[in-house]
Amino acid sequence: NAGVTQTPKFRVLKTGQSMTLLCAQDMNHEYMYWYRQDPGMGLRLIHYSVGEGTTAKGEVPDGYNVSRLKKQNFLLGLESAAPSQTSVYFCATARGTGGWGEQFFGPGTRLTVL
Amino acid sequence: SQQGEEDPQALSIQEGENATMNCSYKTSINNLQWYRQNSGRGLVHLILIRSNEREKHSGRLRVTLDTSKKSSSLLITASRAADTASYFCATAPFQGAQKLVFGQGTRLTINP
Repeated sequence: NAGVTQTPKFRVLKTGQSMTLLCAQDMNHEYMYWYRQDPGMGLRLIHYSVGEGTTAKGEVPDGYNVSRLKKQNFLLGLESAAPSQTSVYFCATARGTGGWGEQFFGPGTRLTVL
Repeated sequence: SQQGEEDPQALSIQEGENATMNCSYKTSINNLQWYRQNSGRGLVHLILIRSNEREKHSGRLRVTLDTSKKSSSLLITASRAADTASYFCATAPFQGAQKLVFGQGTRLTINP
């Protein structure tokens, strides 16, 4: 089993360009999350989903959109990239029961916006 | 806003010594979790302690929770070079859960 995978691993964008980050999981988990991590910082929640077809805003949702059309995939979109969105992006999943349990993380996507 | 605050921000010790990291939080919690992150990697779950538990062990890890002080500590005994990583606490708020709130982490360096 692959667990949680993220595509791509690295990306460089120019200001104003758009892109989509893909998170895929084969653990049949209900909950999926997108975080960003800036140097020397913890994780900040961007958006999350508690099940197929649902999404909700996290702590720092501005400039990002998400979709969860299939249970196993959670997409993070940047419509018009800005240098402030340079960061490492992590996807995570969790089983049901309120999202209080252990989270399983992907390897991350390192994004640079010039 | 981040609920968990780790202390210290950085810790450097000799191999074989014990390492202690602390986490403080602000609101009532369902549970508190500790994660490890090796450089350039995703986070890995270490241990979960529920609000009605006071202490939990897992191998060389010992976690304590004091809900009256809203604080937790992670003790790594007999440290090894492979323990070099960043350690994060994460809290599951008692109400409005469905997500965790992560602290800023403690960077631990084990010197051979």
